[in-house]
Order: sequence, then C-alpha cells, then structure tokens
Amino acid sequence: DGGITQSPKYLFRKEGQNVTLSCEQNLNHDAMYWYRQDPGQGLRLIYYSQIVNDFQKGDIAEGYSVSREKKESFPLTVTSAQKNPTAFYLCASSPDRTSGNTIYFGEGSWLTVV
Amino acid sequence: DAKTTQPPSMDCAEGRAANLPCNHSTISGNEYVYWYRQIHSQGPQYIIHGLKNNETNEMASLIITEDRKSSTLILPHATLRDTAVYYCIVGGYSSASKIIFGSGTRLSIRP
Repeated sequence: DGGITQSPKYLFRKEGQNVTLSCEQNLNHDAMYWYRQDPGQGLRLIYYSQIVNDFQKGDIAEGYSVSREKKESFPLTVTSAQKNPTAFYLCASSPDRTSGNTIYFGEGSWLTVV
Repeated sequence: DAKTTQPPSMDCAEGRAANLPCNHSTISGNEYVYWYRQIHSQGPQYIIHGLKNNETNEMASLIITEDRKSSTLILPHATLRDTAVYYCIVGGYSSASKIIFGSGTRLSIRP
C-alpha cells in the first residue's frame, strides 16, 4: 500500500547519544517534512525538503540534522546538542505543485530520553 | 508564529453539525486554507482545503468568507469518531511552502 512509513514507533535514548529516525514514502512525493510535537501542543517544523539533495531549516532546527539522498527517504538525526529531545516526531510528504500543498503524515515516532 | 487563530476547545452533540471557526486575517492572495485533524498520538489527517470558493468533500465542508479572513469547517453529522484536534493552517500553492501549525481546536463529541 502507498504511504509514509516511520520507524521506529518507540525509541529510547540515553543522554548524549545521537539517534536517527527513519522516514520512507512510496507516494513519489517531491517534498518531505519533519515536525516535532510536545504533549498538548501543536506541530513545530524542524526541517523540510523540496527536492533531492536540498533541504531548509524550519523553526526549531537546532540540534537536528537531515539528509535527502533519495526522493523516497528523509531521515532525521536527533543529536546530543538537542537539549530536550523527548517528543513525538512526525514525518510528512506532499505531492507536486499541481496538487497544491496537501500534506500526508506518517504515524509518528515517540522518542524518550532516559 | 501560526498565521491562524482557533478556539482551544469546542463540543458538539453526536449527530449534530460541528462548526469549527478559524481566523486568518493576514492571509495573502495566493495562500490556501487547509484543515487537518489529529486523533491522539496519530499523524494528522488531511480533511479539506480551499482558496476562495466553498468546498465540500465526503468528510466535510469548508466555508471561506468573501474577504478570506476567516473560514469555518463543517462536519455535517458529527460522530464520536470525530473527536480530535482540528488544525486550520494557511499555505502557498507550492510543494514545500513552510507550513506552520497552531495549537488547533480540541473537538469533543457528546453522546
């Protein structure tokens, strides 16, 4: 089935460790996004990418890094520089310009720092 | 900061129409209005979007005022499964515009 797959669903990290969250889409979408959501809050944009090998910072990019080596993949690395990484992370993608900016989301990944 | 303003919470009786308002007074001419909803601990689900005209699909209707400064999402016959947080956002007609989510409206459906 077509869609966006995030893994792992749940991840525990020790302080000082880097972790990478996977996001894969088979929708042939051009753009991909990463959002962070804290309990009871809305979504905040971390990074987004419009095409392969190109990405832009969102509102809260500090402490995170991304890559876009393939159209279908947009992994997010939460580095040790991110001071409060415990949150719900959502990956999303959107199709080309002719379809407007409708965004489709994955099911999310829960990251907990222990 | 989010470019939209929504009430933090609303409730509606099951079977009745749920009308969710959104203010977007700074919307620019080429920006669309989008509605998404998020059920707890899941990814947001696309509902509907529009530019100027009212829109309807199998899930909801979107009413946009003539000056485009506000809109209303209508769920015509609310069910318990419509309990969720509803986000109204505005964005450009490009595949990677910076889409900013606000805090949304938490809709509760009463049996």
